Amino acid sequence: DTAVSQTPKYLVTQMGNDKSIKCEQNLGHDTMYWYKQDSKKFLKIMFSYNNKELIINETVPNRFSPKSPDKAHLNLHINSLELGDSAVYFCASSRGQGIGGELFFGEGSRLTVL
Amino acid sequence: AQSVTQPDIHITVSEGASLELRCNYSYGATPYLFWYVQSPGQGLQLLLKYFSGDTLVQGIKGFEAEFKRSQSSFNLRKPSVHWSDAAEYFCAVGARDMRFGAGTRLTVKP
Repeated sequence: DTAVSQTPKYLVTQMGNDKSIKCEQNLGHDTMYWYKQDSKKFLKIMFSYNNKELIINETVPNRFSPKSPDKAHLNLHINSLELGDSAVYFCASSRGQGIGGELFFGEGSRLTVL
Repeated sequence: AQSVTQPDIHITVSEGASLELRCNYSYGATPYLFWYVQSPGQGLQLLLKYFSGDTLVQGIKGFEAEFKRSQSSFNLRKPSVHWSDAAEYFCAVGARDMRFGAGTRLTVKP
């Protein structure tokens, strides 16, 4: 049983399109995250939700909009895709507000913008 | 602001040799420190973590790390590397918003 699952695993799309990535966790955690990993493997936090409430919103273009319908799900919608959005996007979850807690990661969604 | 530096982008070791991956951090208070491993095409998996107490922490897969406050370091070690340890290793620091280093890629020679 996958703890943190993301779909789709691969996305290839044209510039200007809109795409969504879905994430679900079955660990009963309260906090979920989106991280972006660029081509140099650098991991950067984008957003964090605790019990459906946005608690971290890093400097991310407003073309990126997270949505958390419930505490087990955190989706990422990206409008007007640009070449620079090509990356691997990781969803993660943690217990509580993640204070000092371990992050559990999904397997990633590789987005390629052509 | 908290940050993490991993000085080595790529390290190659022979199978059976010892390993040390370096990590330096910047953090305002007592840090929460982590090491994660990422195998190709996979998400990150926690190897070990330090919150407080004993500065030498043991993790999974035979890894350990030592917290040295005076050096702001949290280096990862393994006495004898196996071919299956080849992966990307990330040091991380933080509480609510975890910050990751740039990663160190480990190659294991037969």
